[in-house]
Amino acid sequence: EIVLTQSPGTLSLSPGERATLSCRASESVSSNYLAWYQQKPGQAPRLLIYGASRRATGIPDRLSGIGSGTDFTLTISRLEPEDFAVYYCQQYSSSPYTFGQGTKLEIK
Amino acid sequence: QVQLVQSGAEVKKPGASVKLSCKASGYTFATYTMDWVRQAPGQRLEWMGWIDAGNANTKYSQKFQDRVTITRDTSANTVYMELSSLTSEDTAVYYCARAPIVATILDFWGQGTLVTVSS
Repeated sequence: EIVLTQSPGTLSLSPGERATLSCRASESVSSNYLAWYQQKPGQAPRLLIYGASRRATGIPDRLSGIGSGTDFTLTISRLEPEDFAVYYCQQYSSSPYTFGQGTKLEIK
Repeated sequence: QVQLVQSGAEVKKPGASVKLSCKASGYTFATYTMDWVRQAPGQRLEWMGWIDAGNANTKYSQKFQDRVTITRDTSANTVYMELSSLTSEDTAVYYCARAPIVATILDFWGQGTLVTVSS
């Protein structure tokens, strides 16, 4: 199975700063079948990005995704208070469809 | 609006089975798959399998292949997930999530159901 490794484990930033989250796959993710989700405490995950770079409905353009093959990045250009959460990447190119271990974005 | 409403929390003994439900509304039920994803305490999300709500085809993760059964009732727009031979390692929050048939992009999620396995 494809193992996804996210870095860093925790990212401490202030509102207004730029966040860069990384997701590395153990083998190539075909067709850029890579998604990003946000999860807040006590809530279900929320789809942010799919196809490595396509924003889901209602997701602001200050969130962007890029990448191909084994290396993917989620960038939040200007952090808002509601952005502080845990972020997961997921590959859906090869069953089982696996998730990364998450990056916690916390307020500095 | 799309809504997925899951059944309530369960407490089970080791060796038992659990059957969870996920009722969908706000979209054409048969044109999507419904996936099940679980999250054990402190662990990453784990995909378990899906059902094509239209034709009832299923696909399971090999890890759960022998223990999980996903079914659906189109008259009730409801999907069920049954997990058997429970152990303490199955203690987790279980989510249902909708996905397009062409790809497992989980675009709407249920609120989650906590399953606790304890003797």
